[in-house]
Amino acid sequence: KAGVTQTPRYLIKTRGQQVTLSCSPISGHRSVSWYQQTPGQGLQFLFEYFSETQRNKGNFPGRFSGRQFSNSRSEMNVSTLELGDSALYLCASSVGRQRDTQYFGPGTRLTVL
Amino acid sequence: ELKVEQNPLFLSMQEGKNYTIYCNYSTTSDRLYWYRQDPGKSLESLFVLLSNGAVKQEGRLMASLDTKARLSTLHITAAVHDLSATYFCAGGYNTDKLIFGTGTRLQVFP
Repeated sequence: KAGVTQTPRYLIKTRGQQVTLSCSPISGHRSVSWYQQTPGQGLQFLFEYFSETQRNKGNFPGRFSGRQFSNSRSEMNVSTLELGDSALYLCASSVGRQRDTQYFGPGTRLTVL
Repeated sequence: ELKVEQNPLFLSMQEGKNYTIYCNYSTTSDRLYWYRQDPGKSLESLFVLLSNGAVKQEGRLMASLDTKARLSTLHITAAVHDLSATYFCAGGYNTDKLIFGTGTRLQVFP
């Protein structure tokens, strides 16, 4: 069974631009969560999607948004990029909302110049 | 809001020794997760603990949960170099967002 995939793996953008990251969950998984990891703030929850609906959102500004498609694939978008958005963005999938076990993708490393 | 604290933040231990990583959380959490992260890599799920007194073991790692004390521990038995990594605990209540601890960076030396 294929694991969680994330594209792109690496991304370099400049301040003010916007970016879209993609996550394909494990087949049969309906829940997708996104996390941001930085050296300063550690691991922080961004969103959780289940059956195309956002179920939870972390404490991030409105520049961070996401969505989930009917095939459970998810995208997150960051608009008006700031230097502080440079981070490793991780996506995790699980079968259902109970999140008994989350399976993480390899991450997208975003650098904002 | 739930807060999760891990200690120690750094742990340097000799091969063959035992040690414990502690994870304290501030309010009700009905599940506790442990993850491993190798340098430059993503997270790998280790354990999910769902009830008071839960104990799970995999190889040299054993995790336990005491919901009354709001404490989970990750015990390392007879450490080997391959266990060198950063270990995170994370908690959440019901279907609320997951809150991570700061991580414990473990280095095992000969």
